[in-house]
Amino acid sequence: ILNVEQSPQSLHVQEGDSTNFTCSFPSSNFYALHWYRWETAKSPEALFVMTLNGDEKKKGRISATLNTKEGYSYLYIKGSQPEDSATYLCASPNSGYALNFGKGTSLLVTP
Amino acid sequence: DAMVIQNPRYQVTQFGKPVTLSCSQTLNHNVMYWYQQKSSQAPKLLFHYYDKDFNNEADTPDNFQSRRPNTSFCFLDIRSPGLGDAAMYLCATSIAGPTLNTGELFFGEGSRLTVL
Repeated sequence: ILNVEQSPQSLHVQEGDSTNFTCSFPSSNFYALHWYRWETAKSPEALFVMTLNGDEKKKGRISATLNTKEGYSYLYIKGSQPEDSATYLCASPNSGYALNFGKGTSLLVTP
Repeated sequence: DAMVIQNPRYQVTQFGKPVTLSCSQTLNHNVMYWYQQKSSQAPKLLFHYYDKDFNNEADTPDNFQSRRPNTSFCFLDIRSPGLGDAAMYLCATSIAGPTLNTGELFFGEGSRLTVL
């Protein structure tokens, strides 16, 4: 079983601050790394799916990097806004279809 | 428009009273999943269907069953809910190849189960 760990567990920043979270995973038998954003009372939505070492992906103010050799991914949010408040989940599949999730990082952005 | 729809959003049941949660999708995806998320824990995969093939996770209790009568619908049946089964249940879909899934998951909004 692939253990996915996320830190910090929660984060509180002011509007306009930039922030980042970490997702770590065992580097052996790597297939892909997913990031999801889960806003309260909504469905989790995919932000990025990354497969190659050194991948960097960007969507607006949010970007992610991937290091498969050392087993970590960073998610960055530039100039955080209140609408960025959500739980950010990372996940990685095992050899089959099970996507193993971390516990998430809960982000609160206050004006 | 919602593409993965779960019903009900909130379900309250009594200890031992069977519950069925439903999930429908308009994406025509071949894989459907049920995840359980308890408070402050990681979502945990209970089982998934690849087309009609059912795949149970080794540690999913027998109390949890699933049905997929067609591509669009999938059900989660909890035969005798216990207090420990109170959780958010998430349905998700994806397009996947025959042996591995690296495609993104599309989730419903979840069904929150309370057991009294």
